[in-house]
Amino acid sequence: GENVEQHPSTLSVQEGDSAVIKCTYSDSASNYFPWYKQELGKGPQLIIDIRSNVGEKKDQRIAVTLNKTAKHFSLHITETQPEDSAVYFCAASLKGGSYIPTFGRGTSLIVHP
Amino acid sequence: DVKVTQSSRYLVKRTGEKVFLECVQDMDHENMFWYRQDPGLGLRLIYFSYDVKMKEKGDIPEGYSVSREKKERFSLILESASTNQTSMYLCASSFGQFLEAFFGQGTRLTVV
Repeated sequence: GENVEQHPSTLSVQEGDSAVIKCTYSDSASNYFPWYKQELGKGPQLIIDIRSNVGEKKDQRIAVTLNKTAKHFSLHITETQPEDSAVYFCAASLKGGSYIPTFGRGTSLIVHP
Repeated sequence: DVKVTQSSRYLVKRTGEKVFLECVQDMDHENMFWYRQDPGLGLRLIYFSYDVKMKEKGDIPEGYSVSREKKERFSLILESASTNQTSMYLCASSFGQFLEAFFGQGTRLTVV
Protein backbone atom coordinates (compact mmCIF):
# COMPACT_ATOMS: atom_id res chain seq x y z
CA GLY A 1 0.00 0.00 0.00
CA GLU A 2 0.83 3.67 -0.05
CA ASN A 3 3.28 5.12 2.47
CA VAL A 4 3.54 8.86 3.12
CA GLU A 5 6.47 10.37 4.99
CA GLN A 6 6.18 13.93 6.30
CA HIS A 7 8.93 16.24 7.62
CA PRO A 8 9.58 18.00 9.85
CA SER A 9 7.41 16.89 12.76
CA THR A 10 7.78 20.31 14.38
CA LEU A 11 8.53 23.65 12.74
CA SER A 12 9.04 26.90 14.61
CA VAL A 13 9.28 30.21 12.71
CA GLN A 14 9.07 33.92 13.38
CA GLU A 15 6.08 35.86 12.13
CA GLY A 16 6.70 36.97 8.57
CA ASP A 17 9.08 34.12 7.74
CA SER A 18 8.29 31.36 5.25
CA ALA A 19 7.52 27.78 6.25
CA VAL A 20 8.02 24.67 4.14
CA ILE A 21 6.68 21.20 4.91
CA LYS A 22 7.75 18.26 2.77
CA CYS A 23 6.13 14.90 2.04
CA THR A 24 7.17 11.88 0.03
CA TYR A 25 4.96 9.07 -1.18
CA SER A 26 5.73 5.57 -2.34
CA ASP A 27 3.09 4.61 -4.89
CA SER A 28 3.54 6.22 -8.31
CA ALA A 29 -0.15 5.58 -9.06
CA SER A 30 -1.28 8.17 -6.51
CA ASN A 31 -2.77 11.17 -8.26
CA TYR A 32 -4.37 13.42 -5.63
CA PHE A 33 -2.44 15.21 -2.89
CA PRO A 34 -4.41 17.28 -0.37
CA TRP A 35 -3.12 19.28 2.58
CA TYR A 36 -5.15 19.67 5.77
CA LYS A 37 -4.82 22.14 8.62
CA GLN A 38 -5.93 21.17 12.11
CA GLU A 39 -6.37 23.94 14.62
CA LEU A 40 -6.50 23.21 18.32
CA GLY A 41 -9.72 21.48 19.30
CA LYS A 42 -10.96 21.10 15.74
CA GLY A 43 -10.98 18.50 13.02
CA PRO A 44 -8.64 18.80 10.02
CA GLN A 45 -9.78 21.08 7.22
CA LEU A 46 -8.62 21.07 3.60
CA ILE A 47 -6.53 24.13 2.75
CA ILE A 48 -5.14 23.26 -0.67
CA ASP A 49 -4.80 20.26 -2.95
CA ILE A 50 -2.99 19.32 -6.15
CA ARG A 51 -3.50 16.69 -8.79
CA SER A 52 -0.82 14.78 -10.64
CA ASN A 53 -1.27 16.68 -13.90
CA VAL A 54 -0.19 19.95 -12.24
CA GLY A 55 3.24 20.92 -10.90
CA GLU A 56 2.30 23.85 -8.72
CA LYS A 57 -0.78 25.51 -7.28
CA LYS A 58 -1.13 28.75 -5.32
CA ASP A 59 -3.80 30.25 -3.13
CA GLN A 60 -2.80 33.58 -1.64
CA ARG A 61 0.02 32.88 0.86
CA ILE A 62 -0.14 29.11 0.40
CA ALA A 63 1.37 27.09 -2.42
CA VAL A 64 1.91 23.42 -3.10
CA THR A 65 4.46 21.91 -5.46
CA LEU A 66 4.54 18.38 -6.81
CA ASN A 67 7.44 16.45 -8.29
CA LYS A 68 6.03 13.21 -9.67
CA THR A 69 9.39 11.89 -10.78
CA ALA A 70 10.84 12.18 -7.31
CA LYS A 71 7.47 11.37 -5.68
CA HIS A 72 7.48 14.29 -3.34
CA PHE A 73 5.27 17.31 -2.72
CA SER A 74 5.64 20.32 -0.49
CA LEU A 75 3.53 22.98 1.22
CA HIS A 76 4.87 26.52 1.24
CA ILE A 77 3.45 29.22 3.48
CA THR A 78 4.79 32.73 2.97
CA GLU A 79 4.56 35.72 5.33
CA THR A 80 3.49 33.48 8.19
CA GLN A 81 1.10 34.82 10.82
CA PRO A 82 0.35 33.57 14.34
CA GLU A 83 -3.00 32.22 13.11
CA ASP A 84 -1.08 29.85 10.83
CA SER A 85 -0.02 27.96 13.97
CA ALA A 86 -1.61 24.52 13.70
CA VAL A 87 -0.89 20.91 12.78
CA TYR A 88 -0.62 20.31 9.04
CA PHE A 89 -1.18 16.94 7.38
CA CYS A 90 -0.31 15.89 3.86
CA ALA A 91 -2.04 12.97 2.18
CA ALA A 92 -1.87 10.92 -1.00
CA SER A 93 -4.74 9.10 -2.66
CA LEU A 94 -4.27 5.88 -4.55
CA LYS A 95 -5.61 5.99 -8.07
CA GLY A 96 -8.06 3.51 -9.50
CA GLY A 97 -8.92 1.72 -6.35
CA SER A 98 -10.44 2.76 -3.10
CA TYR A 99 -9.24 6.37 -3.34
CA ILE A 100 -8.73 6.24 0.39
CA PRO A 101 -6.09 8.80 1.36
CA THR A 102 -3.00 7.87 3.30
CA PHE A 103 -1.95 10.63 5.68
CA GLY A 104 1.47 11.75 6.81
CA ARG A 105 2.14 11.95 10.54
CA GLY A 106 1.65 15.69 10.72
CA THR A 107 3.75 18.82 11.27
CA SER A 108 3.17 21.09 14.21
CA LEU A 109 3.82 24.64 12.97
CA ILE A 110 4.41 27.32 15.57
CA VAL A 111 4.57 30.94 14.45
CA HIS A 112 6.07 33.25 17.05
CA PRO A 113 4.81 36.86 17.07
CA ASP B 1 -21.62 24.23 4.32
CA VAL B 2 -20.97 20.58 4.82
CA LYS B 3 -21.34 19.59 8.40
CA VAL B 4 -20.02 16.46 10.04
CA THR B 5 -21.18 16.19 13.61
CA GLN B 6 -19.80 13.83 16.22
CA SER B 7 -22.10 13.18 19.12
CA SER B 8 -19.60 13.85 21.90
CA ARG B 9 -16.51 16.04 22.30
CA TYR B 10 -15.29 14.19 25.38
CA LEU B 11 -16.06 10.74 26.74
CA VAL B 12 -14.75 8.85 29.75
CA LYS B 13 -15.50 5.14 29.86
CA ARG B 14 -14.43 2.21 32.00
CA THR B 15 -12.40 -0.74 30.80
CA GLY B 16 -14.67 -3.45 29.40
CA GLU B 17 -17.56 -1.13 28.57
CA LYS B 18 -19.18 -1.17 25.14
CA VAL B 19 -18.73 2.29 23.64
CA PHE B 20 -20.63 3.90 20.76
CA LEU B 21 -19.26 6.89 18.87
CA GLU B 22 -21.80 8.48 16.56
CA CYS B 23 -21.22 10.56 13.44
CA VAL B 24 -23.77 12.30 11.23
CA GLN B 25 -23.18 14.19 7.98
CA ASP B 26 -25.69 16.40 6.24
CA MET B 27 -24.46 16.48 2.62
CA ASP B 28 -25.61 13.09 1.30
CA HIS B 29 -22.01 11.87 1.00
CA GLU B 30 -21.52 8.25 0.02
CA ASN B 31 -18.20 7.79 1.80
CA MET B 32 -17.68 7.92 5.54
CA PHE B 33 -14.56 7.20 7.56
CA TRP B 34 -13.38 6.71 11.11
CA TYR B 35 -9.82 7.72 11.98
CA ARG B 36 -7.86 7.54 15.15
CA GLN B 37 -5.37 10.34 15.92
CA ASP B 38 -2.47 9.83 18.31
CA PRO B 39 0.53 12.13 18.86
CA GLY B 40 3.33 11.32 16.45
CA LEU B 41 1.26 8.75 14.58
CA GLY B 42 -0.95 11.03 12.51
CA LEU B 43 -4.34 9.87 11.27
CA ARG B 44 -4.85 6.13 11.05
CA LEU B 45 -7.87 4.67 9.30
CA ILE B 46 -9.99 2.32 11.38
CA TYR B 47 -12.96 1.60 9.06
CA PHE B 48 -14.65 3.16 6.09
CA SER B 49 -17.93 2.79 4.26
CA TYR B 50 -18.93 3.46 0.64
CA ASP B 51 -22.62 2.93 1.08
CA VAL B 52 -25.36 1.98 3.48
CA LYS B 53 -24.70 -1.35 5.19
CA MET B 54 -21.30 -1.53 3.53
CA LYS B 55 -18.04 -1.44 5.50
CA GLU B 56 -14.39 -2.07 4.86
CA LYS B 57 -11.51 -2.49 7.29
CA GLY B 58 -8.86 0.16 7.39
CA ASP B 59 -5.36 -0.10 8.78
CA ILE B 60 -6.19 -0.67 12.46
CA PRO B 61 -9.63 -2.36 12.76
CA GLU B 62 -8.80 -4.63 15.68
CA GLY B 63 -11.03 -4.01 18.67
CA TYR B 64 -13.50 -1.93 16.66
CA SER B 65 -16.61 -2.46 14.60
CA VAL B 66 -18.87 -0.09 12.68
CA SER B 67 -22.47 0.27 11.65
CA ARG B 68 -24.04 2.19 8.79
CA GLU B 69 -27.79 1.66 8.72
CA LYS B 70 -28.55 5.05 7.17
CA LYS B 71 -26.54 7.02 4.63
CA GLU B 72 -26.00 9.99 6.90
CA ARG B 73 -24.91 8.10 10.01
CA PHE B 74 -21.76 6.07 10.68
CA SER B 75 -21.18 4.60 14.11
CA LEU B 76 -17.93 3.33 15.60
CA ILE B 77 -18.27 0.64 18.25
CA LEU B 78 -15.69 -0.42 20.78
CA GLU B 79 -16.93 -3.85 21.80
CA SER B 80 -14.94 -3.94 25.04
CA ALA B 81 -13.03 -0.75 25.69
CA SER B 82 -9.41 -1.00 26.74
CA THR B 83 -6.98 1.63 27.99
CA ASN B 84 -4.98 1.46 24.74
CA GLN B 85 -8.04 2.77 22.94
CA THR B 86 -7.72 6.09 24.73
CA SER B 87 -7.35 8.48 21.82
CA MET B 88 -8.88 11.19 19.64
CA TYR B 89 -11.40 9.77 17.16
CA LEU B 90 -12.24 11.65 13.98
CA CYS B 91 -15.11 10.98 11.63
CA ALA B 92 -15.01 12.20 8.02
CA SER B 93 -17.16 12.07 4.91
CA SER B 94 -16.61 12.65 1.20
CA PHE B 95 -18.52 12.57 -2.05
CA GLY B 96 -18.03 9.93 -4.74
CA GLN B 97 -14.53 8.89 -5.66
CA PHE B 98 -12.61 10.56 -2.93
CA LEU B 99 -11.93 14.23 -3.24
CA GLU B 100 -12.06 16.56 -0.27
CA ALA B 101 -12.76 14.94 3.08
CA PHE B 102 -14.83 16.83 5.62
CA PHE B 103 -13.99 16.07 9.23
CA GLY B 104 -15.98 16.29 12.41
CA GLN B 105 -14.57 18.09 15.45
CA GLY B 106 -13.37 14.87 17.04
CA THR B 107 -14.21 12.85 20.14
CA ARG B 108 -11.56 12.56 22.80
CA LEU B 109 -12.13 9.20 24.45
CA THR B 110 -10.48 8.27 27.73
CA VAL B 111 -10.73 4.68 28.93
CA VAL B 112 -9.95 4.23 32.62
